[in-house]
This record gives sequence, structure tokens and C-alpha cells, in this order.
Amino acid sequence: DIVMTQTPLSLSVTPGQPASISCKSSQSLLNSDGKTYLYWYLQRPGQSPQLLIHEVSNRFSGVPDRFSGSGSGTDFTLKISRVEAEDVGVYYCMQTIEVPLTFGPGTKVDIK
Amino acid sequence: QVQLVQSGAEVRKPGSSVKVSCKSPGGTFRSDAMSWVRQAPGQGLEWVGGIIPMFRITHYAQKFQGRVTITTDEFSTMAYMELSSLRSDDTAVYYCARSSGYHLKNNWLDPWGQGTLVTVSS
Repeated sequence: DIVMTQTPLSLSVTPGQPASISCKSSQSLLNSDGKTYLYWYLQRPGQSPQLLIHEVSNRFSGVPDRFSGSGSGTDFTLKISRVEAEDVGVYYCMQTIEVPLTFGPGTKVDIK
Repeated sequence: QVQLVQSGAEVRKPGSSVKVSCKSPGGTFRSDAMSWVRQAPGQGLEWVGGIIPMFRITHYAQKFQGRVTITTDEFSTMAYMELSSLRSDDTAVYYCARSSGYHLKNNWLDPWGQGTLVTVSS
């Protein structure tokens, strides 16, 4: 199984300041079709996870442009350019290059 | 945002089974794969397994092999996850989530259901 790790596991951010979360996979997520199957989700308190970023760097429909994703192979980063109060929650990276699908442990983001 | 609709909370005794349903309003599962993901209290997300309705193929995480059965009823747009031989550590919120394509691999999961709390307690 592909193991996903995230750092940090928790983050306290001042509104308006940037935030960055790292995700690493135990195997490359680059597929033979040239795509890299790494995703980012946000789970707000009491809610279901919602998709933020697909295939490393593509914002999902309706996701604000303060969210951006980057990386390749086994190392990935989610950045929030200016954190807002509504960004509070737990962020997960996930791979779908092979089954079982696996998630990172999550990074809890709160507001200072 | 479209959300899948899941059945309500369940309480079961250790050793029993539970079956959770998931409905896709206005759509079908004929072409899209479906995954089930669980979240124990205060914990992260864990993929339980999924189904590729087009080919009636299922994949299960190894730790659930032999205890979980995922099915779909393509004519009623429902998906089901049945977990047997329940233990207290199966207490969790179980989510269904639709793939963005016909396969479990190489697709994202969206939308998700609202979650179903399964409590296993004697």
C-alpha cells in the first residue's frame, strides 16, 4: 500500500497570513498516462470532506484561488496564500494511482 | 453542491452486521465507481473499499477483506456497504463517495455523502 505522510500535523495561522502543508508519498504518484494522481481535501468541523485540488495543482470547481497545489513524484505542497476563518479544518492529501486508495493523516488548521 | 444521501445512524452489538445505503439524487452509478471511507472518532480518513458498477468489480482494503461487502443496485441508483462481525473499533462515521470516472483508480472522490454513524456497543 502507498503510505501518505503530512507535515505539520497541526498549524495555527493568523488570518491574512499564508499557510503551507507538505504531503509525501512512499511511491511516485506519476502514472504512465503522464498524470499525477494526488488530491487535497478539506474537512471542516462536522462536515464531509470536500475536494480542493485534483491532480496536484488543479483547483476544483468553486475553490477560491488563494488555494494552490504543487509538486511532483512523491513530494507535494498545498498553499493557502491568505488564510481566512472559513479555512479552519483538517486537510488531507489522498492518492488514487492504485488501490487501496490512501490518505495522509491530516493537518489540522486553526486560527490564532 | 450535490451530495449523496446516506441512511441514518445505526447501533449494533459486537458480532452483528450493519448495512449502510447511499443514494445519488438525480443520477446513476452505471458509469461511476463508488468508494466507502470511514472515520473513527477523532481520527483520519480510511478507505474501506469500492465498486466499479460497470464491471461489477469490487476492491476492498486488506484489513476489511472477508468482513465487508459493497454492492450497487444500478436501477435504483443505490449503493450499499455491509460490514459483518462488528467490533467496538468499527465505531465510526462511514461515508460513500463517488468517483469522477468509471474506475476507482485515477479519479477523484466527489461528491460525498453526509456520513452515517455506526456505533458498536454491547
